[in-house]
Amino acid sequence: GENVEQHPSTLSVQEGDSAVIKCTYSDSASNYFPWYKQELGKRPQLIIDIRSNVGEKKDQRIAVTLNKTAKHFSLHITETQPEDSAVYFCAAPSGNQGGKLIFGQGTELSVKP
Amino acid sequence: DTGVSQNPRHKITKRGQNVTFRCDPISEHNRLYWYRQTLGQGPEFLTYFQNEAQLEKSRLLSDRFSAERPKGSFSTLEIQRTEQGDSAMYLCASSQNHAETQYFGPGTRLLVL
Repeated sequence: GENVEQHPSTLSVQEGDSAVIKCTYSDSASNYFPWYKQELGKRPQLIIDIRSNVGEKKDQRIAVTLNKTAKHFSLHITETQPEDSAVYFCAAPSGNQGGKLIFGQGTELSVKP
Repeated sequence: DTGVSQNPRHKITKRGQNVTFRCDPISEHNRLYWYRQTLGQGPEFLTYFQNEAQLEKSRLLSDRFSAERPKGSFSTLEIQRTEQGDSAMYLCASSQNHAETQYFGPGTRLLVL
């Protein structure tokens, strides 16, 4: 069935370092790949997304890369700050008409000052 | 606030009782999604609507769960004969169209005693 695998499950970095989170997906029809940030007790919030017609997208300190052949995509955060500490989820659409999102298991990022 | 809203934010109920949650999507968003999230996990798809039509239900969704979107605007999710295993955060999301960004509401946290 549809599956999204996310690694690592926890990630601890020093402030100013970079953080990379990787995901793989199984549904070859997936064409849209969002990343969500979720702080404790709050809703998931979209931070960046990428569509299958591009290989990379950047927004200030955040970038996402996509390799459709290998079916994996990655989130890169540069110059990390303590406020980047949260759980990050990748997702990919799947199923009938590609509406639902299948989420990864999440990565708990901790940025130490 | 023009974002997705959900009510109630918290619900405590006894096992065997019925509960109903409401979701108001972003105005003019055609698609509305329900997800469930347990601690330490990513959101898990339950069902989604395009306008008033329910297009897909998760195979994991038991017959005790029912969702409606009668006028293509707000939606309700009802759980009958609640069980302790139903305790979770129930998230609603909406998007303008197919394969567009899904925006999440704050969720309804359910605790079944």
